[in-house]
Amino acid sequence: DAGITQSPRHKVTETGTPVTLRCHQTENHRYMYWYRQDPGHGLRLIHYSYGVKDTDKGEVSDGYSVSRSKTEDFLLTLESATSSQTSVYFCAISRPGLAIINEQYFGPGTRLTVT
Amino acid sequence: AQRVTQPEKLLSVFKGAPVELKCNYSYSGSPELFWYVQYSRQRLQLLLRHISRESIKGFTADLNKGETSFHLKKPFAQEEDSAMYYCALSSGGSNYKLTFGKGTLLTVNP
Repeated sequence: DAGITQSPRHKVTETGTPVTLRCHQTENHRYMYWYRQDPGHGLRLIHYSYGVKDTDKGEVSDGYSVSRSKTEDFLLTLESATSSQTSVYFCAISRPGLAIINEQYFGPGTRLTVT
Repeated sequence: AQRVTQPEKLLSVFKGAPVELKCNYSYSGSPELFWYVQYSRQRLQLLLRHISRESIKGFTADLNKGETSFHLKKPFAQEEDSAMYYCALSSGGSNYKLTFGKGTLLTVNP
């Protein structure tokens, strides 16, 4: 499982509430990613990080912010949750250098429901 | 812009039948392609990488640059192959981002 954990694993929250999801890795990987998974859309990249305090937007970043103050943790924040953000959120790490190619390994996911 | 297309949302076959999950990509450079599998309510797992030309769980995939395809094949499907399959493309570069297709849900019937 590449030492990736996510917390919480399940969360139900109300519209307008701020929510923070945590991704934690134990193997000191530089690259980390947040995706959301929705039926009919597959996986879409929200934000990614290429080092401590270095982050950038993905294709569906509106309404989300991220922070990475240390290598092992990558936080995803929904500033004011909306029902359209009900989804399963996956964190991933990339292992360039361990293999010839740029494969990613995923966490177990967080199922978020916004009511 | 790069794009991955999986034309079939759903694919249903019988146990022992051959299965082919289609993946087409659009990318102007030299792509790196992957297949990921997600069993029910589990995390995504890397199944195959094109550069390794390997066979995992009986699955193979060949990169066809002329047809811009990377179809996943297995000669004899098993019930435990039932899962969601995603094709993904990496454009390389300095951020190692992946672009995923929308996925194909494979059901293998007994």
